[in-house]
Amino acid sequence: ETGVTQTPRHLVMGMTNKKSLKCEQHLGHNAMYWYKQSAKKPLELMFVYNFKEQTENNSVPSRFSPECPNSSHLFLHLHTLQPEDSALYLCASSPLNSQNYGYTFGSGTRLTVV
Amino acid sequence: AQKITQTQPGMFVQEKEAVTLDCTYDTSDPSYGLFWYKQPSSGEMIFLIYQGSYDQQNATEGRYSLNFQKARKSANLVISASQLGDSAMYFCAMRGGAGNQFYFGTGTSLTVIP
Repeated sequence: ETGVTQTPRHLVMGMTNKKSLKCEQHLGHNAMYWYKQSAKKPLELMFVYNFKEQTENNSVPSRFSPECPNSSHLFLHLHTLQPEDSALYLCASSPLNSQNYGYTFGSGTRLTVV
Repeated sequence: AQKITQTQPGMFVQEKEAVTLDCTYDTSDPSYGLFWYKQPSSGEMIFLIYQGSYDQQNATEGRYSLNFQKARKSANLVISASQLGDSAMYFCAMRGGAGNQFYFGTGTSLTVIP
């Protein structure tokens, strides 16, 4: 256990479904992140939240909608996804402004869009 | 601009032998952090080792050591006495620059042969 918990671990959804991914950390970190990892591609940063405020959105399609109700919880709401959105979605957290502290990752949600 | 380069897409090593995974980085900032992560097939990103740009000595954590050559901008990971459980993807990462962002390399797939 890293201290960052992601649920569910696996998700299969149809293109017309709506689902949500959940991430939770109790490490006292004030920054949280969503990453997408597709097969044979580098990690892609999707969203960054600092103190519950979204500070970065890397041109992510609107069918992905993040929500950060507090600094311990982060959600990724999914709707009308495409098959190419199938990937491993990783959540991470870290203290802000600390170069000598890396990100702590969750175990990821492996998403399959059918 | 910050950049991390891992030039070895795949590596093989005999069990109990040592292996070096290459990582070079590019930054104009004097202060930064370098990290290595392990990602087994289960998907979780596991933190292995950290090296600060001002650290005089190479970092070590058990069987992992980081060969830090600042002038060459390289931060190679050395795994001694390889074990079958070391088979995984390994990512080099750097934290620094504006906004103290995290930059990942494309990863190296390590296979330990019995």
